Amino acid sequence: NAGVTQTPKFQVLKTGQSMTLQCAQDMNHNSMYWYRQDPGMGLRLIYYSASEGTTDKGEVPNGYNVSRLNKREFSLRLESAAPSQTSVYFCASSAVADSYNEQFFGPGTRLTVL
Amino acid sequence: QKEVEQDPGPLSVPEGAIVSLNCTYSNSAFQYFMWYRQYSRKGPELLMYTYSSGNKEDGRFTAQVDKSSKYISLFIRDSQPSDSATYLCAMSVGFQKLVFGTGTRLLVSP
Repeated sequence: NAGVTQTPKFQVLKTGQSMTLQCAQDMNHNSMYWYRQDPGMGLRLIYYSASEGTTDKGEVPNGYNVSRLNKREFSLRLESAAPSQTSVYFCASSAVADSYNEQFFGPGTRLTVL
Repeated sequence: QKEVEQDPGPLSVPEGAIVSLNCTYSNSAFQYFMWYRQYSRKGPELLMYTYSSGNKEDGRFTAQVDKSSKYISLFIRDSQPSDSATYLCAMSVGFQKLVFGTGTRLLVSP
């Protein structure tokens, strides 16, 4: 039982390049989330998916797109990377959408945009 | 002004000390209050969860919520070097969108 896995662990991009961050969970959770973590800013929600087939914007969605590929996988895409998107990105999942459930986090992807 | 304020620290204490970590918030609609622990270069993990006001105890950890003052606390008794980590408070109105504090870095020296 791997929990939440993220790939890649590290990535360096040049301004304007695109990339997709991958996330998968094996806990049969319905809800999945993408956060970014920056010094002095804490964790901020980018997008979330309450259930398979739905996605919603979080606090900082600009410059990102997401795809809930199936129940297990939730990807985050940067179409044209900017230095302001240099951050650590965390994926998380939780069991159900209509009651409080613990969010389980992946190990993170460290992204640097030059 | 941020919705959730948390002193970034670092907070340095000797082993065995009682640690007090705090967050204040401005949104009176928050109902769910959590503390996450994050070790260096790892993802956060849930430590404590409280619904509405009151206290909750789990081993050496006690979480307190005072909704009238918009203030939450995490107490760690008999702190250990293994408690050295960043502690993030988080809260939400509903079930989905958590709002996190910036985190307090705790260092417990042997």
